[in-house]
Amino acid sequence: DSGVTQTPKHLITATGQRVTLRCSPRSGDLSVYWYQQSLDQGLQFLIQYYNGEERAKGNILERFSAQQFPDLHSELNLSSLELGDSALYFCASSVGDTAYEQYFGPGTRLTVT
Amino acid sequence: GQNIDQPTEMTATEGAIVQINCTYQTSGFNGLFWYQQHAGEAPTFLSYNVLDGLEEKGRFSSFLSRSKGYSYLLLKELQMKDSASYLCAASNSGGYQKVTFGTGTKLQVIP
Repeated sequence: DSGVTQTPKHLITATGQRVTLRCSPRSGDLSVYWYQQSLDQGLQFLIQYYNGEERAKGNILERFSAQQFPDLHSELNLSSLELGDSALYFCASSVGDTAYEQYFGPGTRLTVT
Repeated sequence: GQNIDQPTEMTATEGAIVQINCTYQTSGFNGLFWYQQHAGEAPTFLSYNVLDGLEEKGRFSSFLSRSKGYSYLLLKELQMKDSASYLCAASNSGGYQKVTFGTGTKLQVIP
């Protein structure tokens, strides 16, 4: 158990819908990272927040957005969902704002039908 | 941008040694991570190399050559539970740090 929690574990929804994935970092960690992992593309970095502020941005679509709240939990919002958005979404956390050692949550498996 | 290459699959025998290679091309390279990921599970941190050379951590060792854009993960005394995907990832420096993962090497350990 890494100490990072993610909810829900599984999510099934239809195309065009909007979903919110939630992540709570390890106690004491200020950074939260979001990743998408699909079968054919491996682990893709989406976005990082540090202490409530956006720190780094990867290959995040405009239909996706994220935020980190004062209690340091983070939410990833996915809208206008497409079939290709079906993937495992991982959240990771680390102590500082550099990605030295990240602890990954169990992931949310999103299926878009 | 960053480009990371590693073999897609490898097979090795229980008790043996296996070396998983990773090459990277990146601007503003800072360091190289290795993660282990069992099927359907989250990646777990194995190592992070910033300086050239070999770092040993139990049965696992990781090597980095910054000038060659090359790293490897060495697994000794292989166990069946080592069957997993091994992800190589590069971080870049210069302001905000990003981490780019390779597609992973699926290692199968056979008896």
